Amino acid sequence: IQVTQSPSSLSASVGDRVTITCRASQSIANYLNWYQQKPGKAPSLLIYAVSTLQSGVPSRFSGSGSGTDFTLTISGLQPEDFATYYCQQSYSVPHTFGQGTKVEIK
Amino acid sequence: EVQLVESGGGLIQPGGSLRLSCAVSGFSVSNTYMTWVRQAPGKGLEWVSVVYVTGNTYYADSVKGRFTISRDNSKNTLYLQMNTLRAEDTAVYYCAREMVRYGSGSYDVFDIWGQGTMVTVSS
Repeated sequence: IQVTQSPSSLSASVGDRVTITCRASQSIANYLNWYQQKPGKAPSLLIYAVSTLQSGVPSRFSGSGSGTDFTLTISGLQPEDFATYYCQQSYSVPHTFGQGTKVEIK
Repeated sequence: EVQLVESGGGLIQPGGSLRLSCAVSGFSVSNTYMTWVRQAPGKGLEWVSVVYVTGNTYYADSVKGRFTISRDNSKNTLYLQMNTLRAEDTAVYYCAREMVRYGSGSYDVFDIWGQGTMVTVSS
């Protein structure tokens, strides 16, 4: 299963609402995870099952979608949110990742 | 404390072999799904391999037949044996714990990651 993210990068300001999309090459129901990765660090789990926040993740992060089209939204971007975000399908092995979306400071 | 610590990376010539280790603390590798994910310099994440509790293993097409995932329960350590290395295998290699979260279904997530170990394949 191929997973395609868009955009590959975006520039935003603190306080902005940011939306990242992820599209799977076939239906993956709600088997979609999101990860955040900061430079030089390992990824960390943000959201699983499309919209369930991992423990400790701020509520400004949210996810939606089903089937093949999914969205990660950050409502009120904070300085610590500037990072690269990856979606991942867990519907079938291999659990493929999207190519990533880098969120940069405008 | 739950922790994963990778080691074994380095510079290796094309065609060579390397074994990566992932020392686990805070849980047992014998009853946990464990995975390897890699990231080429400046690139995205690539799933590499998984070993299930049953011992079943799966590999990305890009490494099938060259890489072998295994675990030593007595040492609580995960391994990735990499043979016939190519330049395109150059990456940071992360081990990660794959857990199942339950809701309306059962969802596999990579909830704990190591810090990564760099493998450079170059002559």
